[in-house]
Amino acid sequence: RKEVEQDPGPFNVPEGATVAFNCTYSNSASQSFFWYRQDCRKEPKLLMSVYSSGNEDGRFTAQLNRASQYISLLIRDSKLSDSATYLCVVNPDVDSSYKLIFGSGTRLLVRP
Amino acid sequence: EPEVTQTPSHQVTQMGQEVILRCVPISNHLYFYWYRQILGQKVEFLVSFYNNEISEKSEIFDDQFSVERPDGSNFTLKIRSTKLEDSAMYFCASSPEGFYNSPLHFGNGTRLTVT
Repeated sequence: RKEVEQDPGPFNVPEGATVAFNCTYSNSASQSFFWYRQDCRKEPKLLMSVYSSGNEDGRFTAQLNRASQYISLLIRDSKLSDSATYLCVVNPDVDSSYKLIFGSGTRLLVRP
Repeated sequence: EPEVTQTPSHQVTQMGQEVILRCVPISNHLYFYWYRQILGQKVEFLVSFYNNEISEKSEIFDDQFSVERPDGSNFTLKIRSTKLEDSAMYFCASSPEGFYNSPLHFGNGTRLTVT
């Protein structure tokens, strides 16, 4: 099983749609989780951290389900500018605070 | 907003040559990292660096690779004898703290092409 697994997509949605991505991770001891966004041939940029209680930042909502070892990202009212690849990122080991494991990413295309 | 800067943006080199990729982390950050992304693949951890020494490195980071913080601002990645499979985007990152909840700030990357 891959350490961090995501559906590669692409998800092709109209502007204004709500879209959700899931991500699963293999190490049950993982302690910290993030969603990054990556535009084509650019660096990953932090979108949001994912907390156990779930968290929201504007149109974006992140949830963590430790029992099932998955993380989700919900985007409401999609904008054209949301088109990008969304990377699920996990720190697999609290004792190893330096290493992040990236998923392969889920590609989102928002059409007019 | 302060940012991590990397130079050059694109480096072309011949197989067997040495390359040095340069990074200037955010000034008050203490932890520094190199990641790489082969075209079409996922971002992979290479190495982390704190207090002038390597904290952790991956299997990719073999004897051909080295890192250095030669002065108070630069952080470099050297590849001693490049191979074709070293062609990738190399991202430098830094964080203010090293504990698990500290997100990374990435530079805009250096595209390395080995011919």
